[in-house]
Amino acid sequence: GNSVTQMEGPVTLSEEAFLTINCTYTATGYPSLFWYVQYPGEGLQLLLKATKADDKGSNKGFEATYRKETTSFHLEKGSVQVSDSAVYFCALSERDSNYQLIWGAGTKLIIKP
Amino acid sequence: ETGVTQSPTHLIKTRGQQVTLRCSSQSGHNTVSWYQQALGQGPQFIFQYYREEENGRGNFPPRFSGLQFPNYSSELNVNALELDDSALYLCASSSSHQGNTQYFGPGTRLTVL
Repeated sequence: GNSVTQMEGPVTLSEEAFLTINCTYTATGYPSLFWYVQYPGEGLQLLLKATKADDKGSNKGFEATYRKETTSFHLEKGSVQVSDSAVYFCALSERDSNYQLIWGAGTKLIIKP
Repeated sequence: ETGVTQSPTHLIKTRGQQVTLRCSSQSGHNTVSWYQQALGQGPQFIFQYYREEENGRGNFPPRFSGLQFPNYSSELNVNALELDDSALYLCASSSSHQGNTQYFGPGTRLTVL
């Protein structure tokens, strides 16, 4: 079945450091890929998405590129801020499963000033 | 444009009781999905409703049931509450006309004592 694997956290960085959170997936068809972010005590916010191979999603300085050849969708940001501290979830959905979201386990990001 | 709203924000119940959680979908969205998120874990898909009918279900027992109304709002009902039902319950809405991207509400925190 479909699955998403993301790097375990927590990831601790200093402010202005470069961020990469790895995400790989297994899917039978052609999924859409997502990154959601969850701030402490809040619900999930869509951060960015990509719906086909080689698409790049971007938002708030974060980027991720849909790589079909490596089945990956790694999240990157050039210069992180303390306010980026949150849990980041990678997810996929496919038409064949009624677009049900399949989630990674989440990666907690801690940014120190 | 109004986003996804959920009520109540917090709820405390005792084992064996029944609970109803509510969700109003984002304007223009016709699909609602429910997820359970235990503390420190990723969301787990409960079920999805499209045009007032269940359109997919995760690995949850029948005591988890739902409804979708003509205005696309939704309810999640849980009977015979168990301690392990303590979690954040997240509702997401989406539209089959807008790429099926899911947008989440703030969640309802259920505590079962």
